[in-house]
Amino acid sequence: KAGVTQTPRYLIKTRGQQVTLSCSPISGHRSVSWYQQTPGQGLQFLFEYFSETQRNKGNFPGRFSGRQFSNSRSEMNVSTLELGDSALYLCASSSIQGAPDTEAFFGQGTRLTVV
Amino acid sequence: GENVEQHPSTLSVQEGDSAVIKCTYSDSASNYFPWYKQELGKRPQLIIDIRSNVGEKKDQRIAVTLNKTAKHFSLHITETQPEDSAVYFCAANRWGDMRFGAGTRLTVKP
Repeated sequence: KAGVTQTPRYLIKTRGQQVTLSCSPISGHRSVSWYQQTPGQGLQFLFEYFSETQRNKGNFPGRFSGRQFSNSRSEMNVSTLELGDSALYLCASSSIQGAPDTEAFFGQGTRLTVV
Repeated sequence: GENVEQHPSTLSVQEGDSAVIKCTYSDSASNYFPWYKQELGKRPQLIIDIRSNVGEKKDQRIAVTLNKTAKHFSLHITETQPEDSAVYFCAANRWGDMRFGAGTRLTVKP
């Protein structure tokens, strides 16, 4: 069974640009969550999508947005990039049945560097 | 929103000793509490979890306890080994909204 796949693995962008990251969940999983990981801030929750709807949202500005497609694949978009957006972005998938208390499986992440 | 605090931020133990990591959460609606281990350059991986209707769970050398009244939960690792060295994250999940603690860097010295 294939795991969670994130593309691309590495990205270098210029301040002010926008970027789109992709996450393919484990087959059958309907929930996809996104996290920002930085050395000083740990794992910060961005948002969670379930069956194409944003079910939960963290405390990030509106420059961070996402969506989920009917096949459960998810994309995350960051507009007007800032230097502070440099981080590892992780997605996690879980929940075939929709219950929230099931293991979340993480992808390997996309390393975004803003210069 | 949920706020998860985790202590200590770093922990160093001798091989064979026990390690304890503690977390507190703020939202009484949280009902699922997983623990993840992240080795350098790798993705976080679940090592144990506990649901709100259970007070304690054990899996070989790893155990987790949950005190719902006090809103805290702890990870206990016994007979630590060098391969236990990693960053450990606790989390509290409320209907898909999963918030993590800041992490504990555990070092097990041979």
